[in-house]
Parts: sequence; structure tokens; C-alpha cells
Amino acid sequence: QVQLVQSGAEVKKSGASVKVSCVASGYTFTSHMMHWVRQAPGHGLEWMGWINTGNGNTKYSQKLQGRLSITRDPSAGTLYMDLSSLRAEDTAVYYCARETYYYGPGDSHYFDLWGQGTLVTVSS
Amino acid sequence: QSVLTQPPSVSGAPGQRVTISCTGSSSNIGAGSDVHWYQQLPGTAPKLLIYGNYNRPSGVPDRFSGSKSGTSASLAITGLQADDEAYYYCQSSDSSLSVWVFGGGTKLTVL
Repeated sequence: QVQLVQSGAEVKKSGASVKVSCVASGYTFTSHMMHWVRQAPGHGLEWMGWINTGNGNTKYSQKLQGRLSITRDPSAGTLYMDLSSLRAEDTAVYYCARETYYYGPGDSHYFDLWGQGTLVTVSS
Repeated sequence: QSVLTQPPSVSGAPGQRVTISCTGSSSNIGAGSDVHWYQQLPGTAPKLLIYGNYNRPSGVPDRFSGSKSGTSASLAITGLQADDEAYYYCQSSDSSLSVWVFGGGTKLTVL
């Protein structure tokens, strides 16, 4: 079935890096842009960045620019999120999300499929 | 501080109607970007509730409806049920910057 399955929980030390994967199945991987969204404990959703799964172009939030890298392997239908120089405030659940574009009167990009989430804990 | 502004909480009794507002700016909602809504139950991933301001994905009851006007949008829930108790998030995009934005989330309590 159509789904996104993420890798398991991670515990990292401050200053280290973490790489989370997201395997897509049940649809054509390169037909949709993919995003990463995170949620710190007790907080709301924070958009991190996107990747064009066809050509690999990326865009990152200004806040994470320089520490975030989003890549993909189209042959494996897999998306990756690499966050470096981890700090305590990076502790969060990280979600991959599939973007779908709605051809209506407005500019309409939304997330219609989400991974189950991966908890990344950063300890000092 | 989220780019889109939502009330932190709303509440209502079973059967009642509640609305959740989402206020943006001229760079996102006001620039013609649509608003989408997600429901997040405790310990789960967000689920798409409304897309393109007022469209419901299949399986979402018609008790949920959305609207947009100017730089704001609203989610209305009628006939409140106990299992509607969740966090609700609005989302839009800034097409000129190619960035996506969320509201801070609203906790719905069913009294």
C-alpha cells in the first residue's frame, strides 16, 4: 500500500550528526516533492525543507540552512535527512511528508502522506 | 513564533460547533496560497483534514469544513464528538520564497 516508513529512534550527543531515512512505497517516488517536518516535545510543527525527488534540487528553512541536508535515492525510493552539529533544541520527532499539488484557483501545496515519525534525542 | 497565527486552544460541548482561525500575511495566504488543515491525535503523525481551503479528502466527515478570506482562514467543526479532541494545524506556503509555513497549532477540548 501507499506508505512512508521511517528509520528508528536515535540518541545522539551534542555536536554529532544524525541521518534519518524514509522509504516510500506504493506510488512513483519521483512524482512527488518530499519534505521534512519536525516537532519538538510539547511544540507545534516546524517545516524544515524539501527536495525535488526528480532532480535533487533542495530548499531549506533559513533556521536550519548550513546544518541540514536532504538527499534521495530514487532507485530505492528512499529519502534522507542529515542534521549536523546537533544541539539540545534539535530533540524532536522528525517526519517525512509527501507533497501533492492541487490544481485549483490558488497556489496549493499540501502534505497528503506522512511517515510515522522518528524520535531524535540529543543529550549533552 | 509561528508564521501563521492560531488560537492556542478552543473548546466545546458534544454536538456543538467550534471554529479555529488561522491568520497569515500578504506573503503567504494573502498572496494567493491556499490553506490546508491537519489533525494530530496524541502520539500520532498529522493527518490531512482539509486541502485547498475547503476540500475534504475521502474519508473525512462533512462535519469538518474550511474557508478562506483575505489573509485568514478558518476550520469549522460541527456536531462535536469526543474523538475530535486533538491538535489542529493550518499550513500554507510562501511561493516567492519556496518555503512552507505552519500555524502554531490549536488544542481542541471536547467538554
